[in-house]
Amino acid sequence: DQQVKQNSPSLSVQEGRISILNCDYTNSMFDYFLWYKKYPAEGPTFLISISSIKDKNEDGRFTVFLNKSAKHLSLHIVPSQPGDSAVYFCAAYFGNEKLTFGTGTRLTIIP
Amino acid sequence: NAGVMQNPRHLVRRRGQEARLRCSPMKGHSHVYWYRQLPEEGLKFMVYLQKENIIDESGMPKERFSAEFPKEGPSILRIQQVVRGDSAAYFCASSPYSGTGYGYTFGSGTRLTVV
Repeated sequence: DQQVKQNSPSLSVQEGRISILNCDYTNSMFDYFLWYKKYPAEGPTFLISISSIKDKNEDGRFTVFLNKSAKHLSLHIVPSQPGDSAVYFCAAYFGNEKLTFGTGTRLTIIP
Repeated sequence: NAGVMQNPRHLVRRRGQEARLRCSPMKGHSHVYWYRQLPEEGLKFMVYLQKENIIDESGMPKERFSAEFPKEGPSILRIQQVVRGDSAAYFCASSPYSGTGYGYTFGSGTRLTVV
């Protein structure tokens, strides 16, 4: 039962343009959502998060949008830079400690 | 301040052998989590431990897998009688407090290959 889904396994974006990564979830109990970035042979690193009581959170070039009615969140990166090339995981949790991860989207920024 | 240290980085085991994966949390972190990433999949929760206690092991396979976080020393994830399907990347994360996923710091992982 995949409660957090990232339906695009890969995405290529021109440098300087906007990257939009999408994530859908099925469990309406989730009350916190996070995005992690992962380079090859490294562990995931926390990028940005959003509480279910908000619909937007911004941190520099990164903005996360949450649409609770659609059970959908997205990560916007603008402008995209070569160093942004990585695998991005969406994750969610409620109450307890367990993070539920999506399967990831591999973002490639084209110079 | 060193991050979460996992060793070994790569581990090769023959079917039927035991695998021991170690995780030293960040200094001051008393919460440890283990996740497994199978090829082409996301990370899946395995177990959550605090010092000397298993808090949640709902993601652990019922047999062959065990975890501990002793009062002294690293957390250990132990897999007995490994099978090919155990081949995966195993990530450990630590946190200084409970309740916030953004407090996690992940290690670089141990890549287990069963031959």
